[in-house]
Amino acid sequence: AQSVAQPEDQVNVAEGNPLTVKCTYSVSGNPYLFWYVQYPNRGLQFLLKYITGDNLVKGSYGFEAEFNKSQTSFHLKKPSALVSDSALYFCAVRDFKAAGNKLTFGGGTRVLVKP
Amino acid sequence: NAGVTQTPKFQVLKTGQSMTLQCAQDMNHEYMSWYRQDPGMGLRLIHYSVGAGITDQGEVPNGYNVSRSTTEDFPLRLLSAAPSQTSVYFCASSYVPQETQYFGPGTRLLVL
Repeated sequence: AQSVAQPEDQVNVAEGNPLTVKCTYSVSGNPYLFWYVQYPNRGLQFLLKYITGDNLVKGSYGFEAEFNKSQTSFHLKKPSALVSDSALYFCAVRDFKAAGNKLTFGGGTRVLVKP
Repeated sequence: NAGVTQTPKFQVLKTGQSMTLQCAQDMNHEYMSWYRQDPGMGLRLIHYSVGAGITDQGEVPNGYNVSRSTTEDFPLRLLSAAPSQTSVYFCASSYVPQETQYFGPGTRLLVL
C-alpha cells in the first residue's frame, strides 16, 4: 500500500527566511509526487509535481521540491518565505501500479510565516 | 472555464437524512474523484471514476454512493447521514489519473 508522511504538523518561519516542508513516501512502484496548498476556506491548489526526469522540480509561487529516491523524500522548499505563504500544505503520492491510480495524501503541514 | 464546481457550499443535516453533493467540471476530464478532509488526516479518497459509466471505491467508501452518467457530472450521495460524516468534501478531476488533479472549492457538511 502507498503512504505519505508529513512529520511536522506546523512549521513556523520568519518572513525572508528559507522555508522547508518535509514529506516522505512509500510506494511499491515508481512514484508520482505532488504538492498542493490550501488557503483558508478554499480548495486545494496545485504547486508542483514530480513524474520523472530532473530531481529538482520548480513550481508555482517560487516553490521547488527535490525528489530523493534513496531517502524516499520529496521536501518542499522556498528560499525566501512570504507572509502570504501561510497556508496548509499537502504532499501526495500516486503509485502508477496501484489499482485505480489512487492519490494518497499526507496529513498536511500548516505553515505560519511571521513578519 | 469554470473549472470544478461544487454545490452546496455548506449544508446541515440531521442524522438519517439523505442528500446529494453535486460536482461538475467543464474541462472534459475523464477522471473524477471525491475526497473528504478531516483535521490531521489529510484528504481521504471516497470514490472515483475513470470515465462515464465507470466508478470504483476508494479508501473510505462506506455510507456513500456515486454514479457517473456523463463526463461532466459526478454526484456523491449520502443515503443516511451520520455524525461521523461531518467533514469537508472535495471533488477533483484530471485528464488521466496520473496527471494533476484540479479541486473544487469544497462542501462543508455538518451532521447533527
